[in-house]
Amino acid sequence: SQTIHQWPATLVQPVGSPLSLECTVEGTSNPNLYWYRQAAGRGLQLLFYSVGIGQISSEVPQNLSASRPQDRQFILSSKKLLLSDSGFYLCAWSEGLGTDTQYFGPGTRLTVL
Amino acid sequence: GQQLNQSPQSMFIQEGEDVSMNCTSSSIFNTWLWYKQDPGEGPVLLIALYKAGELTSNGRLTAQFGITRKDSFLNISASIPSDVGIYFCAGGSNNAGNMLTFGGGTRLMVKP
Repeated sequence: SQTIHQWPATLVQPVGSPLSLECTVEGTSNPNLYWYRQAAGRGLQLLFYSVGIGQISSEVPQNLSASRPQDRQFILSSKKLLLSDSGFYLCAWSEGLGTDTQYFGPGTRLTVL
Repeated sequence: GQQLNQSPQSMFIQEGEDVSMNCTSSSIFNTWLWYKQDPGEGPVLLIALYKAGELTSNGRLTAQFGITRKDSFLNISASIPSDVGIYFCAGGSNNAGNMLTFGGGTRLMVKP
C-alpha cells in the first residue's frame, strides 16, 4: 500500500531564515506530487505541483520554491522566510495518469516569528 | 477559473442528528471527492465519486455525484462526537497534473 510522509511535523523559524520541508511517497511510481498551504481555519491553496522528476509548476507567485530531485521526493524551500509564510503545509500525491484522487500527508506546521 | 461553493460554512449539531452539506459549481467536473480533516492533521479521503448520478456510501456517510456534474452532497447519519472536523469537497476535471478544485470547507461541531 502507498504511504506519504512529511518531515518535520512542526517547525518554528525566525524571519529571514531558510526553509526546507520534505515529502516522500512509498509504494507507487511516478506519482504526481503537490504542495498546499492552509492558513488557520481556512481552505487549501495549491502552491506547486510536479508530474515528474525536475518538473515543477507554480500556481501562485510567492517566496517559496519547490524541487523534485527523485521520483518520490518533493521538497519545499525558501531562502528567506517571511511572517506571512506561517501556516500548515500539506503534501499530496496522485497517480500519474487517469484518476484525480489525491492523498494527503500528515502536514507540517510552520510558525515564522 | 473554476470555483466550488461549499455550504454550510459551519454546523453545530446535537449528537445523533443527521448532517447534510453540499458543493456547487458553475463548471463541470469528472470527479467529486470528499475529505475530512481533523485538527492538526492532513485531510483523509472519505468518498470518491467518478460517475454522474453515482451514489456511494461509506458506513454512516453517503455522497452523490450530481447528475449535472456541477454539484455533490455529503450526508452523515446519526452523528457522533468523532465526526467533528472540517469536511472538504473537491472537484477534478482530468486536467494536466490532475489538479483539484477545493471547496472552502464545512466545519462540523457535535454536541454530546
